[in-house]
Amino acid sequence: IAGITQAPTSQILAAGRRMTLRCTQDMRHNAMYWYRQDLGLGLRLIHYSNTAGTTGKGEVPDGYSVSRANTDDFPLTLASAVPSQTSVYFCASSETGQNEKLFFGSGTQLSVL
Amino acid sequence: QQQVKQSPQSLIVQKGGISIINCAYENTAFDYFPWYQQFPGKGPALLIAIRPDVSEKKEGRFTISFNKSAKQFSLHIMDSQPGDSATYFCAASRGANTGFQKLVFGTGTRLLVSP
Repeated sequence: IAGITQAPTSQILAAGRRMTLRCTQDMRHNAMYWYRQDLGLGLRLIHYSNTAGTTGKGEVPDGYSVSRANTDDFPLTLASAVPSQTSVYFCASSETGQNEKLFFGSGTQLSVL
Repeated sequence: QQQVKQSPQSLIVQKGGISIINCAYENTAFDYFPWYQQFPGKGPALLIAIRPDVSEKKEGRFTISFNKSAKQFSLHIMDSQPGDSATYFCAASRGANTGFQKLVFGTGTRLLVSP
């Protein structure tokens, strides 16, 4: 059972470059999320999608974009990376987005230099 | 502005001891309070959750205590084991069954259980 698959596992990126973090789930969950995890700040929601074809902004959306063309995939794009986007990024999913269990991927460690 | 304040930032407990992590919130509309456990190199995983209609929920060695009037909730790990060493996050969300919900997470507590 794969659950949530994130790629790449880690990446070093030059500032100003474009980067897409990939996320795929095989649980047919309707809701998907992107969080960033920073020491001392916990997990902060970047963007979410409650169903295929719709997306919404979380707490820290600036500099990031998402798309949800189908149920399984939810890529996160950094159009022009900046050092403050150095973080660990987690993709997650849940069945309906109504206060039930979130399933997280193993994360992508991104360093922007 | 941190909507859910978590303490302590780190905690060292001896094997067999009780680990206690505390969280406080301001938004009285919050009505779902989960705890997530995260091991190094892994994503967080749901450990236990509570709704404000009860004051306590126990699952094995893990207990959530909830104080609605004080707007506080805590995680107690009884008989702590080295395998419990992980980072723990409290979280909160509001408005169950009224649409899409977004969890707000605390800043995390790194627990180390010494052998």
